Amino acid sequence: QKEVEQDPGPLSVPEGAIVSLNCTYSNSAFQYFMWYRQYSRKGPELLMYTYSSGNKEDGRFTAQVDKSSKYISLFIRDSQPSDSATYLCAMSANSGNTPLVFGKGTRLSVIA
Amino acid sequence: DAGITQSPRHKVTETGTPVTLRCHQTENHRYMYWYRQDPGHGLRLIHYSYGVKDTDKGEVSDGYSVSRSKTEDFLLTLESATSSQTSVYFCAISVQGATDTQYFGPGTRLTVL
Repeated sequence: QKEVEQDPGPLSVPEGAIVSLNCTYSNSAFQYFMWYRQYSRKGPELLMYTYSSGNKEDGRFTAQVDKSSKYISLFIRDSQPSDSATYLCAMSANSGNTPLVFGKGTRLSVIA
Repeated sequence: DAGITQSPRHKVTETGTPVTLRCHQTENHRYMYWYRQDPGHGLRLIHYSYGVKDTDKGEVSDGYSVSRSKTEDFLLTLESATSSQTSVYFCAISVQGATDTQYFGPGTRLTVL
């Protein structure tokens, strides 16, 4: 079993839809959780960062962490065509100096 | 933009040739990383560095070596490239601050024929 599992999609939704992206993990030591967005032929860019359990909101994006279930989610409200990208979850047991463990990424297409 | 550049951005080479990829940062961050990204595998850590001349292996280090003689540069070398090393290579730096996490460069697309 991989340490981090992420459904690769692809996921296609109409503009304005609410998108839910998820990852599960097996290592209970993970405390730092990140979501990266990667446009085609670009490097990953940090979208959301969460420490331990709970929710974090930033504009149309909400990250949720449920450590008891070893499950993290990213919600995108009012999705836009510009949200079309691959979304990668990442996590680590220690601070940002520790190498991250990534999911394989979910490819999202938002159709106008 | 975390001030990371990678060179070259694209390279085509032949099996058995040595290849060196360069990652350059402008902000003197201590931690630097090399990842490769492949379909079906996601991002996997090759090597990382926690200071000048201080490096350690990652998940997929076989066939790769690294060097860091200056804070700003982290080099990844394929001593004898193989077709299985065809990939997109990303450099990342670790930034301490509010998010305390990693930021990525634009990537190098390497094809080994």
